[in-house]
Amino acid sequence: QSALTQPASVSGSPGQSITISCTGTSSDVGGYNHVSWYQQHPGEVPKLMIYAVSNRPSGVSDRFSGSKSGNTASLTISGLQAEDEADYYCCSFTSTSTLVFGGGTKLTVL
Amino acid sequence: EVQLVESGGDLVKPGGSLRLSCAASGFSFTSVWMSWVRQAPGRGLEWVGRIKSKTDGGTTDYAAPMKGRFTISRDDSKDTLYLQMNSLKTEDTALYYCSTYRYSSIYNWGQGTLVAVSS
Repeated sequence: QSALTQPASVSGSPGQSITISCTGTSSDVGGYNHVSWYQQHPGEVPKLMIYAVSNRPSGVSDRFSGSKSGNTASLTISGLQAEDEADYYCCSFTSTSTLVFGGGTKLTVL
Repeated sequence: EVQLVESGGDLVKPGGSLRLSCAASGFSFTSVWMSWVRQAPGRGLEWVGRIKSKTDGGTTDYAAPMKGRFTISRDDSKDTLYLQMNSLKTEDTALYYCSTYRYSSIYNWGQGTLVAVSS
């Protein structure tokens, strides 16, 4: 199972909105509504931000939202804040009952 | 509060074996599916595998690079998850995270335990 494809980096200014894409295939992203997103600050443990494409766990800001169209999932962060600067990873359930992660996207808040 | 505490990480030679443990608390371990995820130094996240609850069959699934070398097991009487790693390779060097597996996502994460494979 190949890793999902994410842009290596994205950037935005405080207050703006950004979107991170995550492209897979019909055997993973496109075939199931089981895409999740994780935030990881340097030296810290990853944190679940979105599960099942668009659901937020308790305590996650509603500035974070997820969606999916075909084989591509997206994470949108609105009202960008300095604390959002981190690495973001997408993940999908696959046709072989495994999970596959994306390569990660570094978000820089300008 | 969910707590996951990994242990057992060590320096091991290529071809060697190691068993990691994960002590769980703060939730009903028996009913939860569990997973391992790893992260090589300076690299991204890589899913290792998952074990279902015994109620759901207790079966396991693994990522392709780990299949046949790694085994996930659980002892519900001790609220503990294990990862047995055999035939270790230098590319298995990573921080190994224990996690809960809910909604086909990695829901709660431990702090990780470091495995280094080197001669």
